[in-house]
Amino acid sequence: KAGVTQTPRYLIKTRGQQVTLSCSPISGHRSVSWYQQTPGQGLQFLFEYFSETQRNKGNFPGRFSGRQFSNSRSEMNVSTLELGDSALYLCASSLSGTLIMNTEAFFGQGTRLTVV
Amino acid sequence: AQTVTQSQPEMSVQEAETVTLSCTYDTSESNYYLFWYKQPPSRQMILVIRQEAYKQQNATENRFSVNFQKAAKSFSLKISDSQLGDTAMYFCAFMNGYGGSQGNLIFGKGTKLSVKP
Repeated sequence: KAGVTQTPRYLIKTRGQQVTLSCSPISGHRSVSWYQQTPGQGLQFLFEYFSETQRNKGNFPGRFSGRQFSNSRSEMNVSTLELGDSALYLCASSLSGTLIMNTEAFFGQGTRLTVV
Repeated sequence: AQTVTQSQPEMSVQEAETVTLSCTYDTSESNYYLFWYKQPPSRQMILVIRQEAYKQQNATENRFSVNFQKAAKSFSLKISDSQLGDTAMYFCAFMNGYGGSQGNLIFGKGTKLSVKP
């Protein structure tokens, strides 16, 4: 069974540009969450999608947006990139996003974004 | 707002010994879940163990066990018989149990554990 796949693994962008990151969840998983990981702020929740709808959102500016497709694949977009957006972006998938005993969040390996 | 605090930025342990990682959290909710995640140098986050707040019994998974003290809002992880493969960053995480908080894990800053041969 394939795990959570994030593409690309590494990305270098210039300030002011925009970027799109992709996350393919485990087959059958309908919930996808996104997190930003930086040395200073640690892991912070961006947003969560379930059945193409954003169910939950963290405290990030509107430059950060996302969407989910009918096959549960999700994309995250950051517009007008700033140096502070340099981070590891992780996505996690789960069956439903609600916590039951046999459900857990599976993480991808992340996309390392560097803004120069 | 909920917060998770890991007071030990780095720890080291000798192979085969036991180590305990600390975690405290703050919440006014009564229904929630707690987790320990492991992030090895390869970066992929892996769930180590989880605890439902309504359960009094401490969770265990092979060499990993927790000491869940609900009144003290403490959730420590004990690793027995430490192995070199346990070297990683360990994150304590919290999730509210009510609807609308799905997918929203609140993480601590992490503890970097080094297992020495």
